[in-house]
Amino acid sequence: SAVISQKPSRDICQRGTSLTIQCQVDSQVTMMFWYRQQPGQSLTLIATANQGSEATYESGFVIDKFPISRPNLTFSTLTVSNMSPEDSSIYLCSVEEGNGGMNTEAFFGQGTRLTVV
Amino acid sequence: AQSVTQPDIHITVSEGASLELRCNYSYGATPYLFWYVQSPGQGLQLLLKYFSGDTLVQGIKGFEAEFKRSQSSFNLRKPSVHWSDAAEYFCAVDSSYKLIFGSGTRLLVRP
Repeated sequence: SAVISQKPSRDICQRGTSLTIQCQVDSQVTMMFWYRQQPGQSLTLIATANQGSEATYESGFVIDKFPISRPNLTFSTLTVSNMSPEDSSIYLCSVEEGNGGMNTEAFFGQGTRLTVV
Repeated sequence: AQSVTQPDIHITVSEGASLELRCNYSYGATPYLFWYVQSPGQGLQLLLKYFSGDTLVQGIKGFEAEFKRSQSSFNLRKPSVHWSDAAEYFCAVDSSYKLIFGSGTRLLVRP
């Protein structure tokens, strides 16, 4: 099973600044996913990041606000840009192993708890 | 559009009692369904998953779930709850390699 490390685990940031979250996986994976979990809410997919191509964003999320890098098969970053208090959330990195069959499983990092003041 | 509904925001059970957490999904094809648990300050851990075949799925920590196509449900059950089971539980459906999560059910366990 994939082991995912996220950094930082938490941060408190000033509004108007940007924070870059790193996600490192211990194995090569094709797709990496970034989720947001707002306080008391469920997880919402922000974007899917494939190596060698631009990230695919879900409705309501845009590249200018959440730029993503995917330089290789084990690493990705998510930047939360020009932050406002509404961006206070837990941000989770996820990878999926398997090929859509019964061995398919998603693994999650511990998350980055972001507070914007 | 695909969606997952968890109708219970909170559930409180006594330790040793049985548990059932409800999950309903909306999906056009045969769904891949999951239950995850999130303990305070922790990431998500997969409890069990359903892809096909036997509709009763066994998972870790003594959990099981039953897929009922006629009811579009995938309810999670445990015969005897332990205090350590207190956590947030999320049902999810795989939609083109993306997971769509329900809103979660917070389980509280009374001693």
